[in-house]
Amino acid sequence: AQSVAQPEDQVNVAEGNPLTVKCTYSVSGNPYLFWYVQYPNRGLQFLLKYITGDNLVKGSYGFEAEFNKSQTSFHLKKPSALVSDSALYFCAVRAPTGRRALTFGSGTRLQVQP
Amino acid sequence: NAGVTQTPKFQVLKTGQSMTLQCAQDMNHEYMSWYRQDPGMGLRLIHYSVGAGITDQGEVPNGYNVSRSTTEDFPLRLLSAAPSQTSVYFCASSQGGGRYGYTFGSGTRLTVV
Repeated sequence: AQSVAQPEDQVNVAEGNPLTVKCTYSVSGNPYLFWYVQYPNRGLQFLLKYITGDNLVKGSYGFEAEFNKSQTSFHLKKPSALVSDSALYFCAVRAPTGRRALTFGSGTRLQVQP
Repeated sequence: NAGVTQTPKFQVLKTGQSMTLQCAQDMNHEYMSWYRQDPGMGLRLIHYSVGAGITDQGEVPNGYNVSRSTTEDFPLRLLSAAPSQTSVYFCASSQGGGRYGYTFGSGTRLTVV
């Protein structure tokens, strides 16, 4: 069975500093990996995905993530955090075969202080 | 493009009542799914469909039914609501096995009293 771990319930960072939100996964085969962001009382917005190819993936709003197969990780990063980045972030994985459903981590709340 | 549309946005039910959460997409996506979001638990898959006439269970299917008579619509039915079904429900769709990403609706916040 596939699974995703987001080890930090909350990440606090000062505006202008780099941020990292951690994600590790477990899946058979080569994974599809995704990051989504959720603002209060809103749906999930797609940030970026890794399917194949370059291990460094660039996405929306200046976010990027690095796929590390040996460490089974897909950490989300941004060089300079903004207060408006404060939200709930979800990492998700899909196995390359089977039901095509996403399995989500429990989410990490990012708080960017001015 | 409307994308994925969920109705209603909010609903309060009494224990034992039934209702249907609606989900419609206008992108001709073959895959549709329902998730529930509970605090600290992320999103958990309830049911999914890989095409019209084909549905299957996810992680937490008990108490919910689905059908897929058209490509566009994927309603979720609560047969006899229970307080444990208080949650935020999201519908999602995708094409090409998910390699192009998944599009989510804005959610339905359901409270069962």
